[in-house]
Amino acid sequence: QSALTQPASVSGSPGQSITISCTGTSSDVGGFNSVSWYQQHPGKAPKLMIYDVSYRPSGVSNRFSGSKSGNTASLTISGLQTGDEAEYYCNSYTTSSTPNYVFGTGTKVTVL
Amino acid sequence: EVQLVQSGEEVKKPGESLKISCEAFGYTFTNYWIGWVRQMPGKGLEWMGIMFLGDTDLRYSPSFQGQVTISADKSINTAYLQWSSLKASDTAMYYCATARDGTTYFDPWGQGTPVTVSS
Repeated sequence: QSALTQPASVSGSPGQSITISCTGTSSDVGGFNSVSWYQQHPGKAPKLMIYDVSYRPSGVSNRFSGSKSGNTASLTISGLQTGDEAEYYCNSYTTSSTPNYVFGTGTKVTVL
Repeated sequence: EVQLVQSGEEVKKPGESLKISCEAFGYTFTNYWIGWVRQMPGKGLEWMGIMFLGDTDLRYSPSFQGQVTISADKSINTAYLQWSSLKASDTAMYYCATARDGTTYFDPWGQGTPVTVSS
């Protein structure tokens, strides 16, 4: 099972909106509403930001939103802040291989 | 509050064995899945395997099958990741993470256990 494809880096100025894509196949992203997104600051554990494509856990800012079209899921961060600078990973349920989950390649978000 | 607390940093030599732990607080252990994730220095997240704590369902990534052993002691709400013979290439940060049965997202995560294997 290959990793889901994400852009290596995305950047934006404070206050702007950015979108990170996560492309898979019909066996993972396209086949299930089971995409989640994780934020990881340097030296820290990943933190859940979005689950089931578009739901936000309690405590996560509503500046973070998720969507999906076909085999591609997206994470949008609006009103970009310096604290949003981090690595972001998507994760999807998959039927292609055990353990039935696959991460994306990761995207470094830089706030200019 | 659901929380996972992992064991501390490990420095080992090639060929040595190792068992790291992940203790769960604040929830009924047996209704959850535990996953182990590897992050090599400067690299992305990789699933190693997941285990359902309600029965014996255990799923390894093909890349890690036979290389590590995932287990759990439900009496003390603790999951383990074990190596019988470490290699330098096992140097990485290892995270545990939990998912309630019936969901497909992992939250929370442990703080991570750094493992260094060097002669």
